[in-house]
Amino acid sequence: DTVLTQSPALAVSPGERVTISCRASESVSTLMHWYQQKPGQQPTLLIYLASNLESGVPARFSGSGSGTDFTLTIDPVEADDTATYYCQQSWNDPWTFGGGTKLELK
Amino acid sequence: EVKLVESGGGLVQPGRSLKLSCAASGFSFNDYWMGWVRQAPGKGLEWIGEINQDSSTINYTPSLKDKFTISRDNAQNTLYLQMSKLGSEDTAIYYCARDGNDGTYSSGVMDAWGQGASVTVSS
Repeated sequence: DTVLTQSPALAVSPGERVTISCRASESVSTLMHWYQQKPGQQPTLLIYLASNLESGVPARFSGSGSGTDFTLTIDPVEADDTATYYCQQSWNDPWTFGGGTKLELK
Repeated sequence: EVKLVESGGGLVQPGRSLKLSCAASGFSFNDYWMGWVRQAPGKGLEWIGEINQDSSTINYTPSLKDKFTISRDNAQNTLYLQMSKLGSEDTAIYYCARDGNDGTYSSGVMDAWGQGASVTVSS
């Protein structure tokens, strides 16, 4: 299975720029997607196919990357962005998720 | 509005079976691939599997293929997850999700999620 590795946690101040990384154990082309999960809620789609913003998601969120290295950027970060962020690939079967990055606001 | 509502969760004894349902509304259910994802307490997301529009293709993550079965009833706009031989490791919240592509192939992009059904396996 394709293993996706994310940093466990980040802490930033409101108004700053934050990048969340996701590294794949093998190429996933650009079939990488990002989800946000707030405490006690279901995940929601933020970015699909590495860099496409899901409808209704603020333009503060952006994604980039291809192959094995991907990033989710939030600029500027707002208090409401406190959540865990997951990457997920759909290039190699079975689909897999990263372990999640918990974003905390200082 | 796209809506997915899971039901059927609860407390189940080890070794028993349980069937979850996911009622879909707000979109043409029979046009989309659908899938299941689970999340153990305090853990990350785990993809279980997916089913295509006419149930002719069902894909599973290998470790769960022998104990979980995904099915759907397009007339009832409902997705199912039959779970058997449950163990404590299956304690989790189970989410149904819609694949964002309404075509022949699964995109793997999950663009709508239910609120989840909680399953606890314990004696």
